[in-house]
Amino acid sequence: NAGVTQTPKFRVLKTGQSMTLLCAQDMNHEYMYWYRQDPGMGLRLIHYSVGEGTTAKGEVPDGYNVSRLKKQNFLLGLESAAPSQTSVYFCASRVGHSGANVLTFGAGSRLTVL
Amino acid sequence: AQSVTQLDSQVPVFEEAPVELRCNYSSSVSVYLFWYVQYPNQGLQLLLKYLSGSTLVKGINGFEAEFNKSQTSFHLRKPSVHISDTAEYFCAVTPADRGSTLGRLYFGRGTQLTVWP
Repeated sequence: NAGVTQTPKFRVLKTGQSMTLLCAQDMNHEYMYWYRQDPGMGLRLIHYSVGEGTTAKGEVPDGYNVSRLKKQNFLLGLESAAPSQTSVYFCASRVGHSGANVLTFGAGSRLTVL
Repeated sequence: AQSVTQLDSQVPVFEEAPVELRCNYSSSVSVYLFWYVQYPNQGLQLLLKYLSGSTLVKGINGFEAEFNKSQTSFHLRKPSVHISDTAEYFCAVTPADRGSTLGRLYFGRGTQLTVWP
């Protein structure tokens, strides 16, 4: 089925380790987003991309890096994981920048940092 | 800047009872409004949206929401809930002006709806 696929679904890291979350969409969407979801905090935007080769900071970008080398993929990297980055991460995409366009979400990636 | 306040973090109800999940927003410009639902261990999916026109919007699974511009509210309602409606519900807002914020979506903190038999 067409949609947004996130890998891995679960990961446990030790403090200081690095990792990359992969988001892939097959809908030819221009815009892609990375959110984190924490209990009682809703979804907060980490980084986003308005097209291949572009990235921009969201509300909570510190400690994360992103890359959009191909239109269909949006990678989220943690260079040195911290316990505060324990969260569920969601990738989303939309066809264009109009707010009327609906976001399509992936199923989430649960990250635990010990 | 935009912000969204969901007034209740948890709403417990019995099956077949009506429910209202409250959402208020703050914005200096016109907005589009959304309700998303998240079932356990899943991503978010769109329940309904308000872009323009009729202030009463109908969505999937029997939900509806009413946009009230004067009260800056977008409350979600269902006349009779089912156990399968147990989920977390998120209200979200984005500026209708395409030139600002590139269509970013601002989410509320969520309301956990639990339906008891």
